Amino acid sequence: GQQLNQSPQSMFIQEGEDVSMNCTSSSIFNTWLWYKQEPGEGPVLLIALYKAGELTSNGRLTAQFGITRKDSFLNISASIPSDVGIYFCAGQKGTYKYIFGTGTRLKVLA
Amino acid sequence: DGGITQSPKYLFRKEGQNVTLSCEQNLNHDAMYWYRQDPGQGLRLIYYSQIVNDFQKGDIAEGYSVSREKKESFPLTVTSAQKNPTAFYLCASSIRGRDTGELFFGEGSRLTVL
Repeated sequence: GQQLNQSPQSMFIQEGEDVSMNCTSSSIFNTWLWYKQEPGEGPVLLIALYKAGELTSNGRLTAQFGITRKDSFLNISASIPSDVGIYFCAGQKGTYKYIFGTGTRLKVLA
Repeated sequence: DGGITQSPKYLFRKEGQNVTLSCEQNLNHDAMYWYRQDPGQGLRLIYYSQIVNDFQKGDIAEGYSVSREKKESFPLTVTSAQKNPTAFYLCASSIRGRDTGELFFGEGSRLTVL
């Protein structure tokens, strides 16, 4: 099945640093969703984006819906140890069709 | 609080047995989904349901079955025909009929075949 290209696959950062990750596709999406998943748990929705160019924040998290509608970016500012987890994106193509990225594994070094 | 409840969280199955994973939601969402998650792969759709008494196959439906007798419930049966059932299974829901809709997930169920 189709998957989104998500990068980086993993990253180690120091506490306090900013983090950036992105998802790209050859397809156009109506909605971009960003999730955080911790080991053995279900994904938690962080941010939803609905319009090309839209920039939305949720606390220290900021995400953008790419102008071409084929990509999206997630930034985490001033990372803290509890930011550890897997972040993944999802693009919605049709009413019931969501395509998912493979995730970015984030590890924060105190 | 509104949300999606999956049970059991952990399940062990012997080869040749069918098992059923439960999914209940109180978000008043019409659409419900089952996804399978394997290490290093994006989520793959098993089945989805737009409304009660209706469901559609996803990308990897072989060896699975579902029912949707109530709006709140969408159980998934992993049958003995599923050749590689060990995985993390996620139930999700969304508002029906929107092509710009948020998708919410349950806590997941991990199935291990012994």
